[in-house]
Amino acid sequence: AQSVTQPDARVTVSEGASLQLRCKYSYSGTPYLFWYVQYPRQGLQLLLKYYSGDPVVQGVNGFEAEFSKSNSSFHLRKASVHWSDSAVYFCVFITGNTGKLIFGLGTTLQVQP
Amino acid sequence: NSKVIQTPRYLVKGQGQKAKMRCIPEKGHPVVFWYQQNKNNEFKFLINFQNQEVLQQIDMTEKRFSAECPSNSPCSLEIQSSEAGDSALYLCASSRQYSGNTLYFGEGSRLIVV
Repeated sequence: AQSVTQPDARVTVSEGASLQLRCKYSYSGTPYLFWYVQYPRQGLQLLLKYYSGDPVVQGVNGFEAEFSKSNSSFHLRKASVHWSDSAVYFCVFITGNTGKLIFGLGTTLQVQP
Repeated sequence: NSKVIQTPRYLVKGQGQKAKMRCIPEKGHPVVFWYQQNKNNEFKFLINFQNQEVLQQIDMTEKRFSAECPSNSPCSLEIQSSEAGDSALYLCASSRQYSGNTLYFGEGSRLIVV
């Protein structure tokens, strides 16, 4: 079955620290992968996406993610977090032949001052 | 800032009442999706359109939910008879293409059924 797992429901880091949010997917082919962020009382905003090519993709606000086909993973990273990064982060993928998104349950990031 | 415009941001309805939400997709995006996000961050696909044509919809949508994307008017999602379990954030997203393309989301319409 196609699925996305975000193993950490909640992550707390100090401002200025580095960050990694984990994402594993289950799909036999190569998916189109996305990270979206949801700030309180807002919709989803696209951080970055991976379709093919360089497995490390750069996104907005200093975020990057690395695709690993062997590990079926697409982890999100940031070198130095800011308090404004506190939000819920969703790992999402689309299979190649359908437009429907498959969402993880999200990781809530809390950045402490 | 999101270029997909959803209204209203919040609506409160009694059980059995109709609830209607609207969405203006990003300009140049013929594909529109509706998703329901519950309090547990579970996303449920409801329906999608390409221009005015329904591409896919789930059973729930077929029975109590109705949706349309008329030309030159906002898309809409309407719940004919609201139930407590319908309380959720309803997200509209648009895309340039149906298959394998990035979806851009609106801010959502939060429905509370009391």
